[in-house]
Amino acid sequence: EDQVTQSPEALRLQEGESSSLNCSYTVSGLRGLFWYRQDPGKGPEFLFTLYSAGEEKEKERLKATLTKKESFLHITAPKPEDSATYLCAVQAWETSGSRLTFGEGTQLTVNP
Amino acid sequence: NAGVTQTPKFQVLKTGQSMTLQCAQDMNHNSMYWYRQDPGMGLRLIYYSASEGTTDKGEVPNGYNVSRLNKREFSLRLESAAPSQTSVYFCASSEGAGSEKLFFGSGTQLSVL
Repeated sequence: EDQVTQSPEALRLQEGESSSLNCSYTVSGLRGLFWYRQDPGKGPEFLFTLYSAGEEKEKERLKATLTKKESFLHITAPKPEDSATYLCAVQAWETSGSRLTFGEGTQLTVNP
Repeated sequence: NAGVTQTPKFQVLKTGQSMTLQCAQDMNHNSMYWYRQDPGMGLRLIYYSASEGTTDKGEVPNGYNVSRLNKREFSLRLESAAPSQTSVYFCASSEGAGSEKLFFGSGTQLSVL
């Protein structure tokens, strides 16, 4: 059974204080690992897909990295508008369609 | 461009009542999904439709039925609502054929009393 564990559950940062969110996963064969951002009262919004260990992707102040057991979402010099819940999800090769297993998320708050 | 549109946004039901959640996408996507999101549980897949004319069970299908009405529309029906179905429901779509970039609607908050 595929499992995704995200830590910490919640994180408070001061504006400009860089940090990382962790996503640990167990999957029989990783087809892809995904990061989404979710604002209160809204649906998740796609950020990144990572496919193989060593891969990195960046978007503005966010950088996602992947190893064989975990992924990190690095946030550099965050701003208050980065406050959101960040979700990690995995897809295994044997699943059909786009069946993703999601973690519970990390709720990030960036104070001005 | 509306993306994925869900209706209604809020709904309160009594135990045993039925209702249908509607979802439509205007991106010409092949695949559509229904998820529920509960505190401490993350997003869980209820049903999905890989392409028009097909539907398959996800992780938590019991108590739900779906209909892929056409390429644009995918509805979720609760035949006899139970308090355990109190949740936030999200519809999503993707291009399909292995594309996992899901586009989500804004959700339906459902309470079953």
